[in-house]
Amino acid sequence: GQSLEQPSEVTAVEGAIVQINCTYQTSGFYGLSWYQQHDGGAPTFLSYNALDGLEETGRFSSFLSRSDSYGYLLLQELQMKDSASYFCAVRPSFNKFYFGSGTKLNVKP
Amino acid sequence: DAGVTQSPTHLIKTRGQQVTLRCSPKSGHDTVSWYQQALGQGPQFIFQYYEEEERQRGNFPDRFSGHQFPNYSSELNVNALLLGDSALYLCASSPREMDRNYEQYFGPGTRLTVT
Repeated sequence: GQSLEQPSEVTAVEGAIVQINCTYQTSGFYGLSWYQQHDGGAPTFLSYNALDGLEETGRFSSFLSRSDSYGYLLLQELQMKDSASYFCAVRPSFNKFYFGSGTKLNVKP
Repeated sequence: DAGVTQSPTHLIKTRGQQVTLRCSPKSGHDTVSWYQQALGQGPQFIFQYYEEEERQRGNFPDRFSGHQFPNYSSELNVNALLLGDSALYLCASSPREMDRNYEQYFGPGTRLTVT
């Protein structure tokens, strides 16, 4: 089976940097995705890592270590609009995706 | 460029009834996945459709079934509704080309309430 662990809630100040960790256990592995979801909204795709290392997209970066079954999402220069839930999702096979329970990020002024 | 659309937005059903939810994928996308999201939880994978066939299924009973049409749109059917089926049902589309199946674009969802 699959399991993912990520912190339930994180609080940070506007302008700061925050890291959201995700550890996973899976029977197969194709990659790890990150999604953002604002209250009442749909999840929005942020990034995908299939190989070890850091992927950068603007203020957001995502890291993967397959040997440690670990990844993180790094958000820089936090803005109030970044307050949302963030989900990591593991891809155990080509057509299948399992999401974590999500991390609620609270950005304070 | 229209994104993923879903209908209806909200739905109220009674236990034991059947429901059909609809999804139109983003233009250029040929793969559709369905998810169930309970309040405060992450989306749970129900199944994925490609070329009008179910390609993979999550841990959901056979009461959950689907269909994909030649224009790539899709339906999710749930039979014998239970109170526990109350949730937000999300549809996500992705492009199969260049192995971009991981790049999922979600619709706004259908909020199903079972009473």
